[in-house]
Amino acid sequence: DTAVSQTPKYLVTQMGNDKSIKCEQNLGHDTMYWYKQDSKKFLKIMFSYNNKELIINETVPNRFSPKSPDKAHLNLHINSLELGDSAVYFCASSHLYTGATDTQYFGPGTRLTVL
Amino acid sequence: SQQGEEDPQALSIQEGENATMNCSYKTSINNLQWYRQNSGRGLVHLILIRSNEREKHSGRLRVTLDTSKKSSSLLITASRAADTASYFCATDPGDATNKLIFGTGTLLAVQP
Repeated sequence: DTAVSQTPKYLVTQMGNDKSIKCEQNLGHDTMYWYKQDSKKFLKIMFSYNNKELIINETVPNRFSPKSPDKAHLNLHINSLELGDSAVYFCASSHLYTGATDTQYFGPGTRLTVL
Repeated sequence: SQQGEEDPQALSIQEGENATMNCSYKTSINNLQWYRQNSGRGLVHLILIRSNEREKHSGRLRVTLDTSKKSSSLLITASRAADTASYFCATDPGDATNKLIFGTGTLLAVQP
């Protein structure tokens, strides 16, 4: 059973295109996240949602728009793709506890290459 | 940048040896977590240590936390080739946003 799944695993596209990455978790978690890992393996939080509500937006360009249709899904839509968007994008989920961050469960990642 | 730093950046050891990785961070924390990332895969949670704890064990893993020095270490004892991976520390800054701030990672290679 896959706990956190992402599709697609690989995405190769041209500059200027619009693309989406989907994420689903079957762990019953309240909170989901998107992280970006660059070529140097730096991992940085982009967004988090709790029960379909945005709670973190870490100064990500407006071209990135997360959408959470329900608490088990968090999709990432990227408009007007740029070369610098090339990275591995990870979805994660966790329980939400007031005052402390619990263990996060990560998806396998989506490797985005912008040509 | 709030990002923590890990030391060393890369470590190569022989099977059976112990591996020690260090993490330094910048803000006060609620807890500190260690994750492993195998090549081409997602991150897997290893262990969580709370700010009021100094040491924690899980199998062959031993984690220490020194909040006065804002540092943590991960010790893997009796390493195996399967331990080859990147290891990241991540801190919960306790700002009620539930985000984690990841370190720069240590690439561990265990030679059979």
